[in-house]
Amino acid sequence: GEEVAQTPKHLVRGEGQKAKLYCAPIKGHSYVFWYQQVLKNEFKFLISFQNENVFDETGMPKERFSAKCLPNSPCSLEIQATKLEDSAVYFCASSPGQGAIGYTFGSGTRLTVV
Amino acid sequence: AQSVTQLDSQVPVFEEAPVELRCNYSSSVSVYLFWYVQYPNQGLQLLLKYLSGSTLVESINGFEAEFNKSQTSFHLRKPSVHISDTAEYFCAVSERGSEKLVFGKGTKLTVNP
Repeated sequence: GEEVAQTPKHLVRGEGQKAKLYCAPIKGHSYVFWYQQVLKNEFKFLISFQNENVFDETGMPKERFSAKCLPNSPCSLEIQATKLEDSAVYFCASSPGQGAIGYTFGSGTRLTVV
Repeated sequence: AQSVTQLDSQVPVFEEAPVELRCNYSSSVSVYLFWYVQYPNQGLQLLLKYLSGSTLVESINGFEAEFNKSQTSFHLRKPSVHISDTAEYFCAVSERGSEKLVFGKGTKLTVNP
């Protein structure tokens, strides 16, 4: 399809629970990116993939966060043992090439940790 | 390292008035510049982008932005706003060749009748 599909739209988790977010990139786009938008509108780059390979993970918290892009499956971002500060909107974007000029963003997943 | 500063966190205007949303950036290398719009409870939509060439870029819904290299600015303007333009606007920069976007903190534009 021509849109980046993120599911679910909303996710509520109790502190300590696991959260898993999904992103289906646009068909033919080989790059996938995850960003976190926290309450003060700050966007933080988390991780990028080139196909199923991690391209840049410099923004990923070392603990509790992991991500995958497997062939023929939506990409996923998983947070183990969620904390209150993980509450944010998580955006996925896909691009046909490496540069940011080709980004298409999904509509985001709002994670609320209570 | 790059950074983006959006000088106004909130801009209230009346319908049909002109508006300018300011954006300044810092980078030691050549960059691409973007404006994204986020309507309430929705995702990010690309409004316009500067890659190269003419320093004035336009969107399909009447917004324009001008790249000013000497002032490291990329201000967004619209000569006459509508109620439907009420949204959060984000300026972003990407170093040429980089896959990452660096965002400003956003400007909330509220258009009042």
